[in-house]
Amino acid sequence: KAGVTQTPRYLIKTRGQQVTLSCSPISGHRSVSWYQQTPGQGLQFLFEYFSETQRNKGNFPGRFSGRQFSNSRSEMNVSTLELGDSALYLCASSLSLVGDTQYFGPGTRLTVL
Amino acid sequence: DQQVKQNSPSLSVQEGRISILNCDYTNSMFDYFLWYKKYPAEGPTFLISISSIKDKNEDGRFTVFLNKSAKHLSLHIVPSQPGDSAVYFCAASPPGAQKLVFGQGTRLTINP
Repeated sequence: KAGVTQTPRYLIKTRGQQVTLSCSPISGHRSVSWYQQTPGQGLQFLFEYFSETQRNKGNFPGRFSGRQFSNSRSEMNVSTLELGDSALYLCASSLSLVGDTQYFGPGTRLTVL
Repeated sequence: DQQVKQNSPSLSVQEGRISILNCDYTNSMFDYFLWYKKYPAEGPTFLISISSIKDKNEDGRFTVFLNKSAKHLSLHIVPSQPGDSAVYFCAASPPGAQKLVFGQGTRLTINP
């Protein structure tokens, strides 16, 4: 079974631009969560989707948004990019919401110049 | 407020010996705990998990212990192998949500 895939793997943007990252979960997984990893803050939860509904949101500004499609694929969008948004963005999928292991994709490395 | 803490940023162990990685948490509502292994610029790889109703879970060379009264969990790797060298993260999840709270990670180095 294929793992979680994320596209693109690397991205370079300039301040003020917006970016969309994509995640395809493991086949059959309905829950998708997004995380941001930075050297200073570590791994932080962004948001969680299940059945096209955002179930939880982390402590990030409204510039960070996401959505999930009926096939469980998910996208996250960051508008008005800031230098501090440079990070590794990770997507994880799991079968459901309760007590299931999250499996991570390889991540998208975003660099904001 | 860091709810999950890994107090040792690094750990060095001789090949063949036991590696013990520790993690403390403050939120008693967490009911599912996981350990992940991570290499730079890659996603975390799941290693082992434990539910709050258990105190031990074993999978091959990996064993996770959970002490709920102390709000402490540990990962034992026996025997340690050079390929185990990586950063290890513990993570905790509240009930009914796929919202992992991660520790800061411990860099494990296995010396030949």
